[in-house]
Amino acid sequence: SQTIHQWPATLVQPVGSPLSLECTVEGTSNPNLYWYRQAAGRGLQLLFYSVGIGQISSEVPQNLSASRPQDRQFILSSKKLLLSDSGFYLCAWEGKDRTDTQYFGPGTRLTVL
Amino acid sequence: RKEVEQDPGPFNVPEGATVAFNCTYSNSASQSFFWYRQDCRKEPKLLMSVYSSGNEDGRFTAQLNRASQYISLLIRDSKLSDSATYLCVVNRAGGYNKLIFGAGTRLAVHP
Repeated sequence: SQTIHQWPATLVQPVGSPLSLECTVEGTSNPNLYWYRQAAGRGLQLLFYSVGIGQISSEVPQNLSASRPQDRQFILSSKKLLLSDSGFYLCAWEGKDRTDTQYFGPGTRLTVL
Repeated sequence: RKEVEQDPGPFNVPEGATVAFNCTYSNSASQSFFWYRQDCRKEPKLLMSVYSSGNEDGRFTAQLNRASQYISLLIRDSKLSDSATYLCVVNRAGGYNKLIFGAGTRLAVHP
């Protein structure tokens, strides 16, 4: 069966510091991968999606970036965090054979101080 | 207008009650519809897909009205464990599968 991992689970970072969040998927090949952010009391906002290694599309201009160095690895990064980057970051995967259902990882709760 | 709109609630109901959530969406070309459940401080989990003919999974029934661009979720015989936020999700047709999430409806089931 497929599983999706995210780490770290929680993170507290000062403004201006860098960020690296990692997401890995097991039990499937060539998945579509997504990064979402959920601000407190708000809906999910799509940040990036990837259909393959090195292929990244950005939904919202911001100071975040994403990379997919391996088939089942998706990384979210920032060079300098802003207060507004605080939130719950969720990675999701979707199989190419069933491209209408996404499954989420446990998320990373980021607080920028 | 938001692409997916839900009543934020909270809905406070006693155990055993029947509760219904509604959701409207703006893109008439959307083809896929879902309900996700999100527990406090946890990731969303797929509850059920919503099909044109309506579908049922145990105590849960989902309905779709394409003409009105309206989706509903009915929960019968509510359990304490049903307490969560229910997210209405619609795909944005065209290109890759972009899912648009509603902000969620919070349900609190009390003894």
